[in-house]
Amino acid sequence: GESVGLHLPTLSVQEGDNSIINCAYSNSASDYFIWYKQESGKGPQFIIDIRSNMDKRQGQRVTVLLNKTVKHLSLQIAATQPGDSAVYFCAETAMDSSYKLIFGSGTRLLVRP
Amino acid sequence: EAGVAQSPRYKIIEKRQSVAFWCNPISGHATLYWYQQILGQGPKLLIQFQNNGVVDDSQLPKDRFSAERLKGVDSTLKIQPAKLEDSAVYLCASSFYTGQGRNTQYFGPGTRLTVL
Repeated sequence: GESVGLHLPTLSVQEGDNSIINCAYSNSASDYFIWYKQESGKGPQFIIDIRSNMDKRQGQRVTVLLNKTVKHLSLQIAATQPGDSAVYFCAETAMDSSYKLIFGSGTRLLVRP
Repeated sequence: EAGVAQSPRYKIIEKRQSVAFWCNPISGHATLYWYQQILGQGPKLLIQFQNNGVVDDSQLPKDRFSAERLKGVDSTLKIQPAKLEDSAVYLCASSFYTGQGRNTQYFGPGTRLTVL
């Protein structure tokens, strides 16, 4: 299948360990953030989102943390599984940009068996 | 619930030829987006439709790219004539977004275009 990103930053983790993927965003006015997962040959898949009035949100095995002071977003994946191997993108959006999604450059997650 | 459908999945053309991509959004989604994703990068918005009207086409190269959503459902994106730098994956996405706040977009599988 198609490779999504050949020269992306890569995080390699052991199966069963926790993963932390980081993202710096650019617009201090951004008020809504989304993490997407993109597997080879597929479109981005919604994982979890967070509004700017929150600093933490949890889903199933995933947690998103937001630090507005330093404009930083992170995605934590608990008990990482081989199926989690993919490229992960954060996206930001703001009312002053008509809520247009701006994607970050992505991080490749490799899960070692 | 069916997802966003796109066709074709792959297309190979020579430079200066024309190509068209088709998208069918999730039923009931008023907003439709076309993105270009160059290898190794995040998706970049080309055009956003709200029903059959254009909301944002500021990053669409209008000298060669065009898009329409005539009945507010399906959409087509056309490139004429294609250049080598147009080689990319073209993603379609849709959302319930009505202009306020939360805007969760759902993506189709994309069309991989190779221009030779």
